[in-house]
Amino acid sequence: QSALTQPASVSGSPGQSITISCTGTSSDVGGYNYVSWYQQHPGKVPKFMIYEVSNRPPGVSDRFSGSKSGNTASLTISGLQAEDEADYYCSSYTSSTTYVFGTGTKVTVL
Amino acid sequence: QVHLVESGGGVVQPGRSLRLSCTASGFTFSSYEMHWVRQAPAKGLEWVAVTSYDGNNAYFADSVKGRFTISRDNSKNTVSLQMNSLRTDDTAVYYCARRATISYHGLDVWGQGTTVSVSS
Repeated sequence: QSALTQPASVSGSPGQSITISCTGTSSDVGGYNYVSWYQQHPGKVPKFMIYEVSNRPPGVSDRFSGSKSGNTASLTISGLQAEDEADYYCSSYTSSTTYVFGTGTKVTVL
Repeated sequence: QVHLVESGGGVVQPGRSLRLSCTASGFTFSSYEMHWVRQAPAKGLEWVAVTSYDGNNAYFADSVKGRFTISRDNSKNTVSLQMNSLRTDDTAVYYCARRATISYHGLDVWGQGTTVSVSS
């Protein structure tokens, strides 16, 4: 159950688009369309942003989108805003009937 | 309004036990799988355990398997995490979270967390 691999940090200017990758294996990300993404502001509780690779829960901005290719899932934030500055975590269901989170990515808005 | 409130955290010595509880309100608790997720200081999220809606099935991260158990009381809307043989690397904020309404594999409601510190 190794953590999924995410870049430690990603940055962008307001209005730009950024993409966060989340790399796993065929036993988790690559094997199921059950990747979720969470946003966590400092000192706050994680917020559910994307489910089943590319679906947004009600109330989540359409600036957030998800995709997957092989063993790598991605979260794209378009039209970057100051409020998007936070930590982002991917998560995947696994073949062991468990879940695994990614290592986390700090997004900085320049 | 949907709420999850954790309790039971504290400071404990290595090798000892601690029991965390999570009380739910505002939804039909007995219909949802419930998870525990933890976050060590200045670290990332780590999935810990899940219990099925009826408590008949449970799954655990390798890091806690054999030491932690999870249970639920649907009559009291509570889910508990029994933590035995605690180690210093179990130090973390422990969150309970609800399986998402719209997906079996997401977590849409989180509690505020309870802090566990394992130290001699």
